[in-house]
Amino acid sequence: AQSVTQPDIHITVSEGASLELRCNYSYGATPYLFWYVQSPGQGLQLLLKYFSGDTLVQGIKGFEAEFKRSQSSFNLRKPSVHWSDAAEYFCAVALGYQGGKLIFGQGTELSVKP
Amino acid sequence: EAGVAQSPRYKIIEKRQSVAFWCNPISGHATLYWYQQILGQGPKLLIQFQNNGVVDDSQLPKDRFSAERLKGVDSTLKIQPAKLEDSAVYLCASSLGRGQGANEQFFGPGTRLTVL
Repeated sequence: AQSVTQPDIHITVSEGASLELRCNYSYGATPYLFWYVQSPGQGLQLLLKYFSGDTLVQGIKGFEAEFKRSQSSFNLRKPSVHWSDAAEYFCAVALGYQGGKLIFGQGTELSVKP
Repeated sequence: EAGVAQSPRYKIIEKRQSVAFWCNPISGHATLYWYQQILGQGPKLLIQFQNNGVVDDSQLPKDRFSAERLKGVDSTLKIQPAKLEDSAVYLCASSLGRGQGANEQFFGPGTRLTVL
């Protein structure tokens, strides 16, 4: 069955430090991959997506992610974290048919130390 | 462009009561989704509509949950009767439903339900 694993439930980084959030997926076909961010009391905002092509994708707010098929991973990175990046981050995979549902990981909560 | 609208934002009810949530998707979006997000977990799809037809309701507890999208635009999700374990955030999302945009979902702010 399709699944998404985010191994880190909670991560704390210092402001200005680099960030990497891990995501592994299990899906037999070519995946459509997403990273969403959720601030407290808010809905989900799309950070970036991978459908095909270049495996390094750029998103909003300075985030990027790299798709590695051999490792079934889609890790999210940011070179320098800002205090406003503190939030919950979700990795998701869409089933291959058009408009299919999203399967989400359990999320990684990011805290930023001043 | 207006985003996905949901109401109410918060709802507190007692168990065995009924509750309804409303969602208005982005204009022109054919596909509408309802997700349930329990505290500490990622969202889980309850039901997916394409226009006014149901595409996937395999995870919807049909003995108590119902949803409709009669005119292919806005949608309501109802719980009757509610149980304690229904306490969650209910997220509505929409997508174009065709082409590459079919797989990009836009989420509303959610409705936080507390069942006492």
